[in-house]
Amino acid sequence: DIQMTQSPSSVSASVGDRVTITCQASQSIGSWLAWYQQKPGKAPKLLIYAASSLQSGAPSRFSGSRSGTDFTLSISSLQPEDFATYYCQQAYSFPITFGQGTRLEIK
Amino acid sequence: QVQLVQSGAEVKKPGASMRVSCKASGYTFTTYDIIWVRQATGQGLEWMGWMNPNSGNTGYAQKFQGRVTMTRNTSISTAYMELSSLRSEDTAVYYCARGTGYSSGYSFDSWGQGTLVTVSS
Repeated sequence: DIQMTQSPSSVSASVGDRVTITCQASQSIGSWLAWYQQKPGKAPKLLIYAASSLQSGAPSRFSGSRSGTDFTLSISSLQPEDFATYYCQQAYSFPITFGQGTRLEIK
Repeated sequence: QVQLVQSGAEVKKPGASMRVSCKASGYTFTTYDIIWVRQATGQGLEWMGWMNPNSGNTGYAQKFQGRVTMTRNTSISTAYMELSSLRSEDTAVYYCARGTGYSSGYSFDSWGQGTLVTVSS
């Protein structure tokens, strides 16, 4: 199985900050990576697919990039509604696997 | 708009079976895969498997092989996930989601609201 390792596990930031979350795949997955946002008690919401494509309806302050097996989700200017948990997910091969999540908290 | 509506919360005893339904609307049900993911309280997301509603083909995570069955009724645009031989570790929120297809990186763009299944004696 492909392991997806997210870092950090949690991060504290302020409104207006730029935040970066990283996901490392245990082997090459091409650009078969998605990012999701999940708020407490809610289903995950797709933000980024194919490593860097912004999902329709997702705010443009979210962006994704890839460098080899390292993937990054960036939020350019944090808004109050962005405080949530973020997950990466690989779809290169079955079983599909998720990172363990990164909790973004208000400083 | 695309919507997935799941059945309500359930309480089950160890050894029993559960079935969660996922009714799709706002798109052609047979065009996109349905996947199932579960999440234990305070934990991360765990992929359980996929189903092609057109063909009925399925693929399951090894962890659930032999215990999980994914089916569908195309006449009512509804997918089902059945898990048998329940144990306390199966207590979780179960989600269905729509797979976008390989041209969009096979991500999951619409999700059900989740169904809490509690396994307790």
